[in-house]
Amino acid sequence: KAGVTQTPRYLIKTRGQQVTLSCSPISGHRSVSWYQQTPGQGLQFLFEYFSETQRNKGNFPGRFSGRQFSNSRSEMNVSTLELGDSALYLCASSLADLSRDEQFFGPGTRLTVL
Amino acid sequence: AQSVTQLDSQVPVFEEAPVELRCNYSSSVSVYLFWYVQYPNQGLQLLLKYLSGSTLVKGINGFEAEFNKSQTSFHLRKPSVHISDTAEYFCAVSEGGGSYIPTFGRGTSLIVHP
Repeated sequence: KAGVTQTPRYLIKTRGQQVTLSCSPISGHRSVSWYQQTPGQGLQFLFEYFSETQRNKGNFPGRFSGRQFSNSRSEMNVSTLELGDSALYLCASSLADLSRDEQFFGPGTRLTVL
Repeated sequence: AQSVTQLDSQVPVFEEAPVELRCNYSSSVSVYLFWYVQYPNQGLQLLLKYLSGSTLVKGINGFEAEFNKSQTSFHLRKPSVHISDTAEYFCAVSEGGGSYIPTFGRGTSLIVHP
């Protein structure tokens, strides 16, 4: 069974630009979550999508948005990039219940904002 | 809202020695508890989880954890570590019937020396 894939693996952007990250979950998984990982803040929950609807949202500004397609693939968009957005962005998929199901994580997209 | 504290940011240990990684949580309702491991340049992988039932949970790679409700702890143990166990370990908690969003601890870096 193929794991969670994320593209691209590395990105370098400048302040003010926008970026779109992509995530393909494990086949059959309907829940896709996004996390931001930094050395200072650890893993911070961004949002979760389930059946193309945002089901849960963390405490991030509106510059961070996402969507999920009918095949469960998900994208995350960050507009007007700031230096502080430099981080590893992890996507995770699970069967259905975010609170109790195992989350399967992708390798992440390393975003550097200059 | 729930919170997680991993008391040690770094734990150095010699190969074949036992290890315990500590995790304490705070929640006003029943909880689900998880331990994940992250190897360099990879996403997180589930080691074990507690949902209900026996308080001693066995996971992959010889790890186990014990849920202690009175002490609100979920410490991770391994009787004999290997060099390959060197990684970052994350404890996570979600609230049964409450917030569906798992909260992750800041992580503990396990460093196994030969």
